[in-house]
Amino acid sequence: SAVISQKPSRDICQRGTSLTIQCQVDSQVTMMFWYRQQPGQSLTLIATANQGSEATYESGFVIDKFPISRPNLTFSTLTVSNMSPEDSSIYLCSVAASVNTGELFFGEGSRLTVL
Amino acid sequence: AQTVTQSQPEMSVQEAETVTLSCTYDTSESNYYLFWYKQPPSRQMILVIRQEAYKQQNATENRFSVNFQKAAKSFSLKISDSQLGDTAMYFCASYLAQGAQKLVFGQGTRLTINP
Repeated sequence: SAVISQKPSRDICQRGTSLTIQCQVDSQVTMMFWYRQQPGQSLTLIATANQGSEATYESGFVIDKFPISRPNLTFSTLTVSNMSPEDSSIYLCSVAASVNTGELFFGEGSRLTVL
Repeated sequence: AQTVTQSQPEMSVQEAETVTLSCTYDTSESNYYLFWYKQPPSRQMILVIRQEAYKQQNATENRFSVNFQKAAKSFSLKISDSQLGDTAMYFCASYLAQGAQKLVFGQGTRLTINP
């Protein structure tokens, strides 16, 4: 299994600001995934981040709002830009346990509250 | 389209009882995987059980087992001898081995085990 560390674990942010979430994995992984979990809701995939290439965004998510970096095989960042209260969510970093089965390991998540 | 539906937002049972969580999915693909994930309060998401679509035998992991009805596209989770530590959100998810290759989650079921 992989150990995934996310920072910050939680934060309270002001409207209009941006926040960068860091995700560190204890082993090299090809694919990293960023999910959003709005309060009381399910998980929605924001984007897939592969090292050495641009992130692939899901419908409804754009790079200007959620820029992602993937500088190496153990690290990624997700920035939530120009935040509004609707961005209040848990943001989860995950990595593939198996590229064949789709099984994922998850970080503990970053809980953002936007005032 | 790849969809996962959990029709039970909340369930509550007494400790030691058996509980079944329902999940239906929809896909036209033949090669896919199904999962149940557990998200305890304020803790990270972990895998409970996995089912390969090509396997007829239902997966089991200790007290956790599934009832996989491929024709009906149903994938329920049975928890036997429930314990207080089973209290969590449970998410059903599907993964297509070809095509989208992303994990899609259901809405979740909040399970409470009462002492």
